[in-house]
Amino acid sequence: KNQVEQSPQSLIILEGKNCTLQCNYTVSPFSNLRWYKQDTGRGPVSLTIMTFSENTKSNGRYTATLDADTKQSSLHITASQLSDSASYICVVTGVTGGGNKLTFGTGTQLKVEL
Amino acid sequence: DVKVTQSSRYLVKRTGEKVFLECVQDMDHENMFWYRQDPGLGLRLIYFSYDVKMKEKGDIPEGYSVSREKKERFSLILESASTNQTSMYLCASSRPLNSPLHFGNGTRLTVT
Repeated sequence: KNQVEQSPQSLIILEGKNCTLQCNYTVSPFSNLRWYKQDTGRGPVSLTIMTFSENTKSNGRYTATLDADTKQSSLHITASQLSDSASYICVVTGVTGGGNKLTFGTGTQLKVEL
Repeated sequence: DVKVTQSSRYLVKRTGEKVFLECVQDMDHENMFWYRQDPGLGLRLIYFSYDVKMKEKGDIPEGYSVSREKKERFSLILESASTNQTSMYLCASSRPLNSPLHFGNGTRLTVT
C-alpha cells in the first residue's frame, strides 16, 4: 500500500532558527515528490517538486532533498520567520496503469515563535 | 496567478439536506479535483475530472457526486448530507502531467 509518513507531527521553533522536516514514502513506481505549505484557513501552495534524478532543490529559504534509494525527503527551512508558521505537506506521485496517483502525508505543523 | 475560488468558506447544513459546493478556476486548467481534509488523515481524493462532462471516482466517492458542465467549474454534491461528511473540502485544479495542484481556500462544512 502506498504511504507517505511525515515527522515530526508538530514542531515549535524560535524565529531565526533552522529546522528540518522529514518525509518517508513507500510509493512505487515513483514519479515525483512535492512539498506544499498550507497556512491556516488557506489551501496548500506548492513550494517545490523533486523528480527521481534530483537530489536537492532550493526555493528561497526552503531547501528540499530527495534520496530515491531510501525513499526519503526532507524540507529544510533556514532562518525561520513568523510567516513560516504553517502545515507542511509532503505529496508523492506514483505511476499506475490508469495514470498518476497522488498520496498525501498528514503534514507537519510548524509554529515559529518570537 | 491562478485563482481557484470556492463559493463558501463556511456552511452549516442539516442531516439529509442536499448540499452543493461550487468551485471555479480562471486558468483554463483541464484537471479539477475535490478533496476532503480531516485531522490526522491527510487529504483524500473524492472525485476528479480531466475534461468537461468527464468525471472519475477518487478514493472516497461514496455519498458524493460531481458535475462539470463547463471547463472552469466543478461542483461537488452531497445528495443527502450526513454527520460524517463534516469536514474541510478543498477544490484544486491543474494542467496535465505532473503540474502542481492549485487549491482553493476550502469550504468548512458542518452537518448537524
